[in-house]
Amino acid sequence: GEDVEQSLFLSVREGDSSVINCTYTDSSSTYLYWYKQEPGAGLQLLTYIFSNMDMKQDQRLTVLLNKKDKHLSLRIADTQTGDSAIYFCAEMAGGYNKLIFGAGTRLAVHP
Amino acid sequence: DAMVIQNPRYQVTQFGKPVTLSCSQTLNHNVMYWYQQKSSQAPKLLFHYYDKDFNNEADTPDNFQSRRPNTSFCFLDIRSPGLGDAAMYLCATGTGSSYEQYFGPGTRLTVT
Repeated sequence: GEDVEQSLFLSVREGDSSVINCTYTDSSSTYLYWYKQEPGAGLQLLTYIFSNMDMKQDQRLTVLLNKKDKHLSLRIADTQTGDSAIYFCAEMAGGYNKLIFGAGTRLAVHP
Repeated sequence: DAMVIQNPRYQVTQFGKPVTLSCSQTLNHNVMYWYQQKSSQAPKLLFHYYDKDFNNEADTPDNFQSRRPNTSFCFLDIRSPGLGDAAMYLCATGTGSSYEQYFGPGTRLTVT
């Protein structure tokens, strides 16, 4: 079946790197995503990675994909207070681009 | 410059009183999705439209219906809301060939 799991909470100091981890079960997933959700807001697409890649970098964001272990991570360099939010990992499943989300990791950034 | 618009942002309804949530898009995308996100949980797909074709998820309760009168608009109807239907409802759009989904800001539904 399809399932996505994430740790629920991460606390980091401002300026440090944050690493948010995710595991998924559907080996046929073509794309994997990271979304950000700020309080009371919708989901903002941060970045995504195609399943035939193992790394993608986009400014402060680095996505690593280990397809063998079905493990995805998001690294945020130089974490700022504005990065405090819930981060959702998602896999694309199904012929109509259905997204299966994890429960989200709440990132707290403290001075 | 809004691309996916949801109205209202906050909706309060009474137990059992029908309610309709609205989503519109300026992207001309042919796919529109409705997700339900309960507190501290993952968003969960309820159904989607691919053009005019309606696709229901197997575990979506019958209480939830949807209408898509044209490309730009899609509605979520909850026929008899229960307390367990209180959630954030997220609308998203996409194209059949694209890997990106664009989400609206959501409507937070409270059932009293």
